[in-house]
Amino acid sequence: QIQLVQSGPELKKPGESVKISCKASGYTFTDYAMHWVKQAPGKGLKWMGWINTYTGKPTYADDFKGRFVFSLEASASTANLQISNLKNEDTATYFCAKRGFAYWGQGTLVTVSS
Amino acid sequence: DIQMTQSPSSLPASLGDRVTITCRASQDIGNYLRWFQQKPGKSPRLMIYGATNLAAGVPSRFSGSRSGSDYSLTISSLESEDMADYYCLQSKESPLYTFGAGTKLELK
Repeated sequence: QIQLVQSGPELKKPGESVKISCKASGYTFTDYAMHWVKQAPGKGLKWMGWINTYTGKPTYADDFKGRFVFSLEASASTANLQISNLKNEDTATYFCAKRGFAYWGQGTLVTVSS
Repeated sequence: DIQMTQSPSSLPASLGDRVTITCRASQDIGNYLRWFQQKPGKSPRLMIYGATNLAAGVPSRFSGSRSGSDYSLTISSLESEDMADYYCLQSKESPLYTFGAGTKLELK
């Protein structure tokens, strides 16, 4: 069965970096794009962008250009989200979702606090 | 950029009620519209795709419809397990997608 398993919660200080992973199983990883979605505490869903898992080309929503990087470890069927120079407003749960949005990871909570 | 205006933001309702949530698109999005249900602490669940198609495993009391630029999610007879947040998502402006702001469905 198709599964997306994300890495565990992270506690970081402002200015630090974090890397979240999303490991896919149950399908051919490179056949389907991977999306990333942010949800701040008590807030709605915000689409961050997606990565073409065949070519590795990322596409970012305007609000996520600059400090956010999508990458792949295709041999490990894993998509990654790296956030640099963390800010308090990056505190959120980050989800990965397979193209079509029928399958989601369980979410990774990133807390940024001094 | 395409904006999705979702209403209402909060919807108090009683068990057995028929409820409707709406998203209005700022530009033509055809049928590139999905609906999601999200319960506290959980990942979103796809309910409707292509504006009107029920996703796998979704109860038949859920339905999606379109009238012009207005897209609706309707629950024909509300059950307790339906209490959740609901979001629309447009994917017409590929590769740039937009979620609606969300609707909190709660017991009256």
